[in-house]
Amino acid sequence: NAGVTQTPKFQVLKTGQSMTLQCAQDMNHNSMYWYRQDPGMGLRLIYYSASEGTTDKGEVPNGYNVSRLNKREFSLRLESAAPSQTSVYFCASTLPGDRKYTFGSGTRLTVV
Amino acid sequence: LAKTTQPISMDSYEGQEVNITCSHNNIATNDYITWYQQFPSQGPRFIIQGYKTKVTNEVASLFIPADRKSSTLSLPRVSLSDTAVYYCLVGEVNRDDKIIFGKGTRLHILP
Repeated sequence: NAGVTQTPKFQVLKTGQSMTLQCAQDMNHNSMYWYRQDPGMGLRLIYYSASEGTTDKGEVPNGYNVSRLNKREFSLRLESAAPSQTSVYFCASTLPGDRKYTFGSGTRLTVV
Repeated sequence: LAKTTQPISMDSYEGQEVNITCSHNNIATNDYITWYQQFPSQGPRFIIQGYKTKVTNEVASLFIPADRKSSTLSLPRVSLSDTAVYYCLVGEVNRDDKIIFGKGTRLHILP
């Protein structure tokens, strides 16, 4: 099925560990985004990529890095995880000139 | 990016029509209004988008007055499965820069 695929779905990390969250879309979308959502809160933008080879910071980029590997894939890396990064992470993509975002099912990350 | 204001939460009953209003006083000429729905443990999904007057699809209607400083998402005859968080976003559709989600409106449908 066409859409946005995120892996893993669940992850538990110890403080200081690193990991990469993967996101891939098969809709030929140009723009991709990473959001985090804390309990009872709205979504906050971490990073986005308007096209292959470009990335820009969102509202809460500290503690994260991203890579737009190709048009399909946009990964989010936590170099040294902290308990404050416990959250649900969503990846999204869209066509240019659309604003109709397709979201993945999320990665639930717990840092202990 | 235009700032939006929505009610934090709303309750309604099955079978009722629900209207959720979003204020966006500083909306720009090229901005469109887009609504998303998010169920628990899922990512948001697109519901409807409009620029002015009225837009209707199989899920909802979107009403936008002439001054475009607010918009109303209308859900006809809601059911328990419409319990979700609804987000109003305002921005240019022909730009792919960042778009900011607020906290949305938590709609709770009662039996």
